[in-house]
Amino acid sequence: AQKITQTQPGMFVQEKEAVTLDCTYDTSDPSYGLFWYKQPSSGEMIFLIYQGSYDQQNATEGRYSLNFQKARKSANLVISASQLGDSAMYFCAMRVENAGNMLTFGGGTRLMVKP
Amino acid sequence: NAGVTQTPKFQVLKTGQSMTLQCAQDMNHNSMYWYRQDPGMGLRLIYYSASEGTTDKGEVPNGYNVSRLNKREFSLRLESAAPSQTSVYFCASSEDRGPNSPLHFGNGTRLTVT
Repeated sequence: AQKITQTQPGMFVQEKEAVTLDCTYDTSDPSYGLFWYKQPSSGEMIFLIYQGSYDQQNATEGRYSLNFQKARKSANLVISASQLGDSAMYFCAMRVENAGNMLTFGGGTRLMVKP
Repeated sequence: NAGVTQTPKFQVLKTGQSMTLQCAQDMNHNSMYWYRQDPGMGLRLIYYSASEGTTDKGEVPNGYNVSRLNKREFSLRLESAAPSQTSVYFCASSEDRGPNSPLHFGNGTRLTVT
């Protein structure tokens, strides 16, 4: 079975600093995709970044980058130059090809950016 | 560019009442999904539709039914609401079922069953 683990229930970061949100995953399937979503207090789920299991390079999208360490089965999200608007819940998620490609979520990390 | 649109935004039901949550996407996506999110938790899959004309159960399907009306629309029905179904419901769509295809979510429906 697939599993996503986010071990940090809550984190603080100072505005303009970088922060890393941890995500580890468990699957024996070689073909999978890893995703990060942001959920602000308004409730919507916003897709941030994607990493494929066969991708050689770490994904980047603006201030977001994904630190993908395949051997360690980790897919940490790095947010550079934090902004107050980054305060939100962040969810790591995975789709596995041979498990119906359903999107499985971790429990989330609440990030709070301090001014 | 609307993306995924869900209605209603809020709903209060009494135990035993029925209702249908509506979802429509304008991205020409093949696959659509219904998730629920309980307080302090990630999302859990209720039902999904890999393509028009097909539906399948997810992780927590009991108490729900779905209809993929056409490529754009995917509805979720609660036949006899129970307090355990109090939750936030999200509809989502993706271009296809592949592992590299992100899901795009609607803004959610907050349902309370008393």
